[in-house]
Amino acid sequence: RKEVEQDPGPFNVPEGATVAFNCTYSNSASQSFFWYRQDCRKEPKLLMSVYSSGNEDGRFTAQLNRASQYISLLIRDSKLSDSATYLCVVNFYNQGGKLIFGQGTELSVKP
Amino acid sequence: ETGVTQTPRHLVMGMTNKKSLKCEQHLGHNAMYWYKQSAKKPLELMFVYSLEERVENNSVPSRFSPECPNSSHLFLHLHTLQPEDSALYLCASSRLNSGANVLTFGAGSRLTVL
Repeated sequence: RKEVEQDPGPFNVPEGATVAFNCTYSNSASQSFFWYRQDCRKEPKLLMSVYSSGNEDGRFTAQLNRASQYISLLIRDSKLSDSATYLCVVNFYNQGGKLIFGQGTELSVKP
Repeated sequence: ETGVTQTPRHLVMGMTNKKSLKCEQHLGHNAMYWYKQSAKKPLELMFVYSLEERVENNSVPSRFSPECPNSSHLFLHLHTLQPEDSALYLCASSRLNSGANVLTFGAGSRLTVL
């Protein structure tokens, strides 16, 4: 089983749609969780951290379910500029900086 | 322009060449990383340096040799590479022990091995 697993997609959605991505992780001792965004031929950039109580940033909502070991990202009212690959990232340890990336979920928002 | 700068951005080398990738961070971070990104595969952690000491070496072949002379600079020395080593090599930095370990990436060095 992969340490961090995502549906690779691609997800093709029309503008204005709501789309959700899930990510599962294997290590129950995982400490912190993130969603990164990577545009084509660019470096990954932090989109948002994921907190236990769930958190929202504008059109983006992140949820964490420790019991089931999954993280989700919900994007409402999709924009063309949301087209990118979304990377789920899990920090398995507090020390040592071991961040494990999922393979990413590709999103394409069409007019 | 991010606070993490990588050079060169593109590199083509033969299997017998020796080259180096350079990374510099201007963010005052205390940890630096090398990741490898191949097509359709997750980012693979290669090396982690915390306070200039290597704390992670993720079973990377010895043809990749990291060097961290100080907290702002990180190198990846390359020699006798194989065509399957062609990939995007991403450097990142973070501030460990600050709560969430958030990475800031450089733009990457795209390596092609002929």
